[in-house]
Amino acid sequence: ETGVTQSPTHLIKTRGQQVTLRCSSQSGHNTVSWYQQALGQGPQFIFQYYREEENGRGNFPPRFSGLQFPNYSSELNVNALELDDSALYLCASSSSGRVNTGELFFGEGSRLTVL
Amino acid sequence: QQQVKQSPQSLIVQKGGIPIINCAYENTAFDYFPWYQQFPGKGPALLIAIRPDVSEKKEGRFTISFNKSAKQFSLHIMDSQPGDSATYFCAAKLGAATGRRALTFGSGTRLQVQP
Repeated sequence: ETGVTQSPTHLIKTRGQQVTLRCSSQSGHNTVSWYQQALGQGPQFIFQYYREEENGRGNFPPRFSGLQFPNYSSELNVNALELDDSALYLCASSSSGRVNTGELFFGEGSRLTVL
Repeated sequence: QQQVKQSPQSLIVQKGGIPIINCAYENTAFDYFPWYQQFPGKGPALLIAIRPDVSEKKEGRFTISFNKSAKQFSLHIMDSQPGDSATYFCAAKLGAATGRRALTFGSGTRLQVQP
């Protein structure tokens, strides 16, 4: 059973650029969530996808968007990058039952630096 | 009202000691309270979770105590080991009725267990 894998692991962008982060869910999981973790802080919820539909969103502007594909993999897109977008972006997958008990399986994250 | 407040920010104990990490919340719409452990360069991993109608739950050396009336919960690590040195996050999950089964994380506690 493979875990949650994310790519790229590290990337550097400049302000105003766009970025796409990718996530492969753990086998058997149909729900994927994205979280932003600033240095020294707890993860903050961006949005969640279930069966290719967004079914929950945190307090992030519309320039943060996502997709979930039929194989349950996912993408996070961020447009018009700002310096404050520098963070570790975590993808988490789960089954719908385990989501209900707060059990998420996180990848190791994509570290984004915006210069 | 969606915040989860966590303390202390950092904690140093000797091997065999019992570190205690405390969290408090306000939103009564939370229905599950998981704890996550994060090592440097890794994503958070679920340790243990509790429902608000349970006052205590043990899994191995990890124990959650829950006080529903005070809206507080805590993590105790029995017989702590140097390998337990990590950052610990409490979290709270909104119930399905809110339409958003997201986790709200505390700000984290960096634990160091000295040999």
